Amino acid sequence: EDQVTQSPEALRLQEGESSSLNCSYTVSGLRGLFWYRQDPGKGPEFLFTLYSAGEEKEKERLKATLTKKESFLHITAPKPEDSATYLCAVQTYNTDKLIFGTGTRLQVFP
Amino acid sequence: DTGVSQNPRHKITKRGQNVTFRCDPISEHNRLYWYRQTLGQGPEFLTYFQNEAQLEKSRLLSDRFSAERPKGSFSTLEIQRTEQGDSAMYLCASSSSGLAGGNEQFFGPGTRLTVL
Repeated sequence: EDQVTQSPEALRLQEGESSSLNCSYTVSGLRGLFWYRQDPGKGPEFLFTLYSAGEEKEKERLKATLTKKESFLHITAPKPEDSATYLCAVQTYNTDKLIFGTGTRLQVFP
Repeated sequence: DTGVSQNPRHKITKRGQNVTFRCDPISEHNRLYWYRQTLGQGPEFLTYFQNEAQLEKSRLLSDRFSAERPKGSFSTLEIQRTEQGDSAMYLCASSSSGLAGGNEQFFGPGTRLTVL
C-alpha cells in the first residue's frame, strides 16, 4: 500500500535556527512528490514538486530535496512567519490523487 | 488572480440533514478534486473529475456522498443524512492535465462542516 510518513510531528525553532523536515514514502511508482504549506483554517498552499532522485528546488528560505526513499524540506534561518504545518504528498502513475502525510507543525519563535 | 473558491466557508448542521458544498476551480483547469481533512491529519482523497467525467472515487467514500461536475466547470459535493463523523474540512483542488511534467493541484480555502 502506498504510504507517506512525515517527521517530526512538531518542531519548535528559534528564529534563525535552521532545520530539516523529513518525508519518507513507500509507493508503487512515484510520479511526483509535492510539498505544501498550510496555515490554520486555510487550504494547503503549493510550494514545490519534485520528480526524480537528486532533484532540488528552492524558494526563499526553503529548499526541497528528493531521494529514492525520502524527501527533505530544509528551512534556513527561519522567521516567525514561516510558522505553519508543512504537508508532503505523493502521486503515483496509477492515479492522479495525492496521498498525504500527516504533516509537520512548525513553530518559529522570535 | 482568481484561485479556487469554495462556498460556503462554514456550515453547521444537525445530524440527519443533507448538505451541499460548491467548488469553482481555476478557470483553465480541467481536473477537479475533493479531499477531506480532519484535525491533525493530512487531506484524504474523496473523488476527482476530468471535465465532467468522474474518474475515481475513494473506496472509503460512503454512498451518502455524491459529487457532480455537470458542465465541466464548477462542482458540488452533497452529503446526505449527515453524521457527526462527517465533521471535517472539505477541500477542493484543481489542476491542468497534459502539461509536460506538471500536475500540481491548487487548493481552495475549504468548507468547514460541523455536524451537531
